[in-house]
Amino acid sequence: GQQLNQSPQSMFIQEGEDVSMNCTSSSIFNTWLWYKQDPGEGPVLLIALYKAGELTSNGRLTAQFGITRKDSFLNISASIPSDVGIYFCAGPRDDKIIFGKGTRLHILP
Amino acid sequence: DSGVTQTPKHLITATGQRVTLRCSPRSGDLSVYWYQQSLDQGLQFLIQYYNGEERAKGNILERFSAQQFPDLHSELNLSSLELGDSALYFCASSVEDDNEQFFGPGTRLTVL
Repeated sequence: GQQLNQSPQSMFIQEGEDVSMNCTSSSIFNTWLWYKQDPGEGPVLLIALYKAGELTSNGRLTAQFGITRKDSFLNISASIPSDVGIYFCAGPRDDKIIFGKGTRLHILP
Repeated sequence: DSGVTQTPKHLITATGQRVTLRCSPRSGDLSVYWYQQSLDQGLQFLIQYYNGEERAKGNILERFSAQQFPDLHSELNLSSLELGDSALYFCASSVEDDNEQFFGPGTRLTVL
């Protein structure tokens, strides 16, 4: 019940394609966070969502807080090589932040 | 650059040894969090300090301990190291006890 399940685990796409990934839980979250981790770096916060149904954009990235509060979605439009990395969803649970296992995005040459 | 600094960047040591990882939070941030990231486990929360006091504890082993000093920097001490402790250790900070955490570049620990 405390796990965040991310799907897909990895994606291989062509540059220029749009990307969709999601994060689900069997329990409700009041906040959803999306982070990106570049190889060899720490995670960087991309988008924070605080309200069910909320849709928030950050450049080519758009994230949505699912209406059931049990899921969230991240979309990347017109992918570019620097989008490569691991995308994590996260949310607060019992005084700590728990993270999903990530979606690895690969861009094919 | 998140404003969170961690030293050292890499650390190689032997089983049974003890190491100390250091973290300086962003200026003005009162909370410091420690995470362990290994290939098969993802990001695992270890412990949080807020203004010098322990605030929350995750899956931190008894061999591990941390503290936050009056200048708000934090240290994570890992002792009796085992091969399985090899991982990336991240520190993050936030202004208060909020959710938006900013991560440092990490310390890669290799136990041989």
